[in-house]
Amino acid sequence: ETGVTQTPRHLVMGMTNKKSLKCEQHLGHNAMYWYKQSAKKPLELMFVYNFKEQTENNSVPSRFSPECPNSSHLFLHLHTLQPEDSALYLCASSSRLANSYEQYFGPGTRLTVT
Amino acid sequence: GQSLEQPSEVTAVEGAIVQINCTYQTSGFYGLSWYQQHDGGAPTFLSYNALDGLEETGRFSSFLSRSDSYGYLLLQELQMKDSASYFCAVRASSGAGSYQLTFGKGTKLSVIP
Repeated sequence: ETGVTQTPRHLVMGMTNKKSLKCEQHLGHNAMYWYKQSAKKPLELMFVYNFKEQTENNSVPSRFSPECPNSSHLFLHLHTLQPEDSALYLCASSSRLANSYEQYFGPGTRLTVT
Repeated sequence: GQSLEQPSEVTAVEGAIVQINCTYQTSGFYGLSWYQQHDGGAPTFLSYNALDGLEETGRFSSFLSRSDSYGYLLLQELQMKDSASYFCAVRASSGAGSYQLTFGKGTKLSVIP
């Protein structure tokens, strides 16, 4: 247990559906991250939040919409996804942005887009 | 941008020593992290090097040479449970006081009896 939880663990959705991924950290951290992990590819950073303010958006398509209501919770809202968006979506946190070298990851949500 | 190179697969015998290399090209370099990920699991932080030299944490050690843009993870007294993927990640400035981690593709380590 890393202190970072993600729900759901598995999600199958059609291209026209809308769904949300949830991440919660119980570590008192102030920075949170969304990553995409696809087979044979490195982890791709999607979004970074610091004290619930977005600081990074790595050219992520608008069909992915993040939300950070407070430093403990992070959401990823999904709509009109494509099959190539099927991947493991990982949430992570660090005590502060300057400590981004040490991140604590959740177990991920395995997303399949049909 | 950043790029990292590490071997895709390594196989080693239980009880042996294995070294996983990582070379990188980046601007605004701050340090090199290593993460372990078991199949179906979350990445777990192992170590971080900001300065040249060797950092030792139990059976695992990590080395960095900033002048060579090179680092490695050394695993000693290998155990079957060390079978996992190992990722190097560069911490670099992305501007405006932000420090991103850029991950390599990972090295799948298989430990055999």
